Amino acid sequence: GAVVSQHPSRVICKSGTSVKIECRSLDFQATTMFWYRQFPKQSLMLMATSNEGSKATYEQGVEKDKFLINHASLTLSTLTVTSAHPEDSSFYICSASAGVEAYGYTFGSGTRLTVV
Amino acid sequence: QKEVEQNSGPLSVPEGAIASLNCTYSDRGSQSFFWYRQYSGKSPELIMSIYSNGDKEDGRFTAQLNKASQYVSLLIRDSQPSDSATYLCAVKPAGGGNKLTFGTGTQLKVEL
Repeated sequence: GAVVSQHPSRVICKSGTSVKIECRSLDFQATTMFWYRQFPKQSLMLMATSNEGSKATYEQGVEKDKFLINHASLTLSTLTVTSAHPEDSSFYICSASAGVEAYGYTFGSGTRLTVV
Repeated sequence: QKEVEQNSGPLSVPEGAIASLNCTYSDRGSQSFFWYRQYSGKSPELIMSIYSNGDKEDGRFTAQLNKASQYVSLLIRDSQPSDSATYLCAVKPAGGGNKLTFGTGTQLKVEL
């Protein structure tokens, strides 16, 4: 159990365009989803926490208008990178929690974003 | 002081040996601790969680927690080349909601 699906796995976009990344919990209801960014050879950096039906909570230094997060249902959260620039190129990973410790925190497979 | 600290490594062990990975944390009230394995270019996968002092075993993996000393460790017995990866320690701090705080990870290399 506790499978999280993330799409797309890779995306290349032109500078100035927007990219949407989807994160779905397949076999449980994710009360909370987390979005991380990871640069090469660095650890995970939490960008924001989203709870179903409410606004996301962004970590300090993360632009909420640039990284739009929607958590409209208990199984789906989306991250939209707006007006992407080359410096936004990174590995974006979502993680979902069912609020039950036994499930731990399950990660999606990640999205490699390259902005050209 | 970082909230969760790990030696970045690389930690090199020969095949068949025991690999010992350590992690210390600063929030004394933390209650939940997790070890994740991350292969290069992939997302982290949960290996083990531990909540109580002592040892917790799962196959070749043993997690050890000592809340008084604020450290958690992961032992990998009979290390295999396929265990070569970065191991991330994650802690759920007290009062931090559901979010986890991650260490920077320890790179493990299991050599033939």
